[in-house]
This record gives sequence, structure tokens and C-alpha cells, in this order.
Amino acid sequence: KAGVTQTPRYLIKTRGQQVTLSCSPISGHRSVSWYQQTPGQGLQFLFEYFSETQRNKGNFPGRFSGRQFSNSRSEMNVSTLELGDSALYLCASSLNRFSPLHFGNGTRLTVT
Amino acid sequence: DQQVKQNSPSLSVQEGRISILNCDYTNSMFDYFLWYKKYPAEGPTFLISISSIKDKNEDGRFTVFLNKSAKHLSLHIVPSQPGDSAVYFCAASVGGSNYKLTFGKGTLLTVNP
Repeated sequence: KAGVTQTPRYLIKTRGQQVTLSCSPISGHRSVSWYQQTPGQGLQFLFEYFSETQRNKGNFPGRFSGRQFSNSRSEMNVSTLELGDSALYLCASSLNRFSPLHFGNGTRLTVT
Repeated sequence: DQQVKQNSPSLSVQEGRISILNCDYTNSMFDYFLWYKKYPAEGPTFLISISSIKDKNEDGRFTVFLNKSAKHLSLHIVPSQPGDSAVYFCAASVGGSNYKLTFGKGTLLTVNP
């Protein structure tokens, strides 16, 4: 069974631009979560989607948004990029709320 | 305000010995705790979890201990192997689920042959 796939693996953007990251969950997993990993803050929860609905949201500004499609694939968007948005963005999927999260390998975003 | 703290950024042990990774939390609402392992250039992988109704959970070489009164948990790896060298993250949640996890900053474990 294929794991969680995140594209692209690396991105370089300029301050003020916007970016869209993509995540394909494990087949059959309907929940997708997004996390931001930075050296200073560790992994921080961004949001979680289930059946195209956002169920949980972390403490991030409105510049960070996401969505989930009917095939459970998910995208997250960051608008008006700031230098501090440089991070590894991790997507995770799970079968249900009591099943472990399966993480993808992440998208490394660098904002210059 | 960091609700899950891993105060040791790194730990080095000899192969075959015990590795003990520690984690403290401040939010008394947390009732489910997990450990994840992360290799470079890969996403975290789930290791072991424990519910607040237990004080110990074992899975092979990995054991997690929970001390609710001290708001402290630890991961024991016995015996340690070079392949265990990775960053270990402690995580916690409310409501016994895997959603909206609060992670610590991680501890880099190095197991020397």
C-alpha cells in the first residue's frame, strides 16, 4: 500500500508570494492533518480535515488555509509568504481518530 | 507556552544499553500520549502510545511509562541499537485521539556501535 505522498518535496518562494502544497493520503484514509516543523518550535498542528470538512484548526494566522477534496486528497495554501514561514510542512493521514497518524516525507518550503 | 517539553535536545548511548527519553507536559487535560521517531528526510513514524488510564505500555524493545501526578512520561529502549538513532518526538492530545497532537521539540538519540 502506498504511503502518504507530498508534492513538491522542495519549494523556494519569495516573500509576499503564495504557495500551494499537495498531499495524497493512504488509500482508504479519510482524515488528513497538516503540521509545520521548524527548528525553534518543533511540530505544530495546522489543521485537520475529514470528509472535505475542517474539523480542527491550530493557532496559525488566516494566511494559512487548506481544503480536502472528495477523493481525500488535500492541499494547503499559504498566502503573502513571510520569511518565518520557511519550514518543513508535513501531512499525515489516518483511518480514524484512534488510528496512528501516518506522515508523508514533507515539503521543505524556503522563503527568501 | 510550550505544553509538551523535551528538555534534552540530544542523548548519546552505547549499543546494547538502555536509552531513556523524557518528556514533561503542563496541560492536565492531556489524556493520550505518543512517541514518534523521525529519520532525516523522512516523516515521523509512530512508535508507541499510552492512555492516561495506564501507567505503562510495552511493545517489544520499547516501553513508555506515564506518571500523571508528575506530568511526566518516558520512553525506554532496551537494548538500544544503532538503527534507533533518530529524533524522538513526544506528543499529547485531549480526548484520547490522534487528532490535534501537541508535540515536543524532539530529542536526537545517537546509539554508538
